[in-house]
Amino acid sequence: DTAVSQTPKYLVTQMGNDKSIKCEQNLGHDTMYWYKQDSKKFLKIMFSYNNKELIINETVPNRFSPKSPDKAHLNLHINSLELGDSAVYFCASSQDQLAGGPGDTQYFGPGTRLTVL
Amino acid sequence: AQSVSQHNHHVILSEAASLELGCNYSYGGTVNLFWYVQYPGQHLQLLLKYFSGDPLVKGIKGFEAEFIKSKFSFNLRKPSVQWSDTAEYFCAVTSPGANNLFFGTGTRLTVIP
Repeated sequence: DTAVSQTPKYLVTQMGNDKSIKCEQNLGHDTMYWYKQDSKKFLKIMFSYNNKELIINETVPNRFSPKSPDKAHLNLHINSLELGDSAVYFCASSQDQLAGGPGDTQYFGPGTRLTVL
Repeated sequence: AQSVSQHNHHVILSEAASLELGCNYSYGGTVNLFWYVQYPGQHLQLLLKYFSGDPLVKGIKGFEAEFIKSKFSFNLRKPSVQWSDTAEYFCAVTSPGANNLFFGTGTRLTVIP
């Protein structure tokens, strides 16, 4: 069984459109994330989210919004797509963190390659 | 804020050669350290991680890494690489209790048969 899954795997769309990428994890984790991997393979956190808190990287445009219908899902909605949004988007999940406790491992989905024309 | 440096952008080795990929981080407190691998066209997979204890950690596929606190380093090693090790390797750091992973820029490893 796939631990973290994303759909679609590939997404090609026109500038100005609105699109969503879905993410589901069956690990029972409390925290989910979205990362953006640019053309140079650099990975950067966009959001982390659990049932208590949404942490937004302040460099992420507000055209991007995470939506979590339940603990196992964290979808990424993007409004008014721009050329610079073309990238691979990875979803990840981990157990919830306790303040001062040990860190935990993040498990990644297969990625969604978004191409904006 | 934490940051991670991987100074080797692209490493090319012949099969059976030994590998060492550098990773340095900047953070003065306690850290958790990770190495992830991304095979061509695939997602990130965890190779190994360090939270505490023995600074020499062993991961999957014969990889190991050593945490040297005084050097803020967590270099990845493998004694003898194989063609199937061709991939992108990412070092990452987080602090205990924090959620966000900070990634290095990655090192592309090409192994020539």
